[in-house]
Amino acid sequence: SQTIHQWPATLVQPVGSPLSLECTVEGTSNPNLYWYRQAAGRGLQLLFYSVGIGQISSEVPQNLSASRPQDRQFILSSKKLLLSDSGFYLCAWSRTVNQPQHFGDGTRLSIL
Amino acid sequence: AQSVTQLDSHVSVSEGTPVLLRCNYSSSYSPSLFWYVQHPNKGLQLLLKYTSAATLVKGINGFEAEFKKSETSFHLTKPSAHMSDAAEYFCVVSVGYQAAGNKLTFGGGTRVLVKP
Repeated sequence: SQTIHQWPATLVQPVGSPLSLECTVEGTSNPNLYWYRQAAGRGLQLLFYSVGIGQISSEVPQNLSASRPQDRQFILSSKKLLLSDSGFYLCAWSRTVNQPQHFGDGTRLSIL
Repeated sequence: AQSVTQLDSHVSVSEGTPVLLRCNYSSSYSPSLFWYVQHPNKGLQLLLKYTSAATLVKGINGFEAEFKKSETSFHLTKPSAHMSDAAEYFCVVSVGYQAAGNKLTFGGGTRVLVKP
């Protein structure tokens, strides 16, 4: 069966510090991968998606970036965090068309 | 383009009574539709999916949903609410083509409160 791992579960970072969140998927190959942010009391905002290694599509202009160095690894990064980057970050994977996405447990990011 | 509207932002039910969460969608393509549940500080868990097979879809934890094309609706129901059903529920439609990364469009969510 397929599993998705996302870490860390919680993170507290100062403004201006860098960020690296990692997500890995097991039990499948060539998945679509996604990064979402969920602000408090709001819905999910798609940040990035990837349909293959090295292929990243950005949905929202911001100071975040994503990379996919391996087939089942998806990394969300920032060089300098802003207060507005606080939120709950979710990684997800799916197979191809018309298939549901499967979510990790999320990372709660607080910026001080 | 596609959109999803969840008609109730909050629903309050008593334990043991039925639950109805309403969802309407619009889509330029034949849609795939999903319901997800999110408990506090957790990721989203798939409850059920509709992908152009049977219009009545059964999911996990006793939930089911009916796809009605004429009404563009995909309402979620459960005959008897349990305390553990207290969570936020999202109705979701899929773009449905790989070139766009099979992206999802989420409804605004319905928060369910279950009273003892």
